[in-house]
Amino acid sequence: DTGVSQNPRHKITKRGQNVTFRCDPISEHNRLYWYRQTLGQGPEFLTYFQNEAQLEKSRLLSDRFSAERPKGSFSTLEIQRTEQGDSAMYLCASSLVRENTEAFFGQGTRLTVV
Amino acid sequence: KNQVEQSPQSLIILEGKNCTLQCNYTVSPFSNLRWYKQDTGRGPVSLTIMTFSENTKSNGRYTATLDADTKQSSLHITASQLSDSASYICVVSKRQGGSEKLVFGKGMKLTVNP
Repeated sequence: DTGVSQNPRHKITKRGQNVTFRCDPISEHNRLYWYRQTLGQGPEFLTYFQNEAQLEKSRLLSDRFSAERPKGSFSTLEIQRTEQGDSAMYLCASSLVRENTEAFFGQGTRLTVV
Repeated sequence: KNQVEQSPQSLIILEGKNCTLQCNYTVSPFSNLRWYKQDTGRGPVSLTIMTFSENTKSNGRYTATLDADTKQSSLHITASQLSDSASYICVVSKRQGGSEKLVFGKGMKLTVNP
């Protein structure tokens, strides 16, 4: 499978716990994006990387959220001290560094904080 | 106010019928407009990408139009099938620095009944 891969697909955690999600983009894609999607809404931008550099972070990304892409390949999104409001689908997408190029999405990680 | 507005929010049609989804945007500076299909619990999948100079683009039974002057787009689905039941998201790409930023609509939920 050469698409964008996200793990785990589902995560249930207790409030206050830390969670980490992983995204493996399409191998030649330089750009990697993280989005959050709640029920009935479109995806909301969280952050994006070009290679290993994190170029933009949304205000949605509070200090409890951190994302890394250490070698410019896979990326991790960590949420510390989870809250019930963090329950959402976390989507990763990747694309080439080229104008008007398609962004490919992974299947997402569904987080439920209980 | 959202920069990408979609209408209707939901639609129920019978199998075999046609339908048209609308998208109005205020995103600027404009780079391109995309329509994505998102099945429940899955990541979005790209249907079309249109740049400023493109008025219409087809992908099988899906035909997208773009009027960059009025900042409107539509997605027409012909001879609907049960598998067309999904959320359809209009996404406008915004030029930002040397890159593009995707601005998502909330999506509209299409249900195709037999």
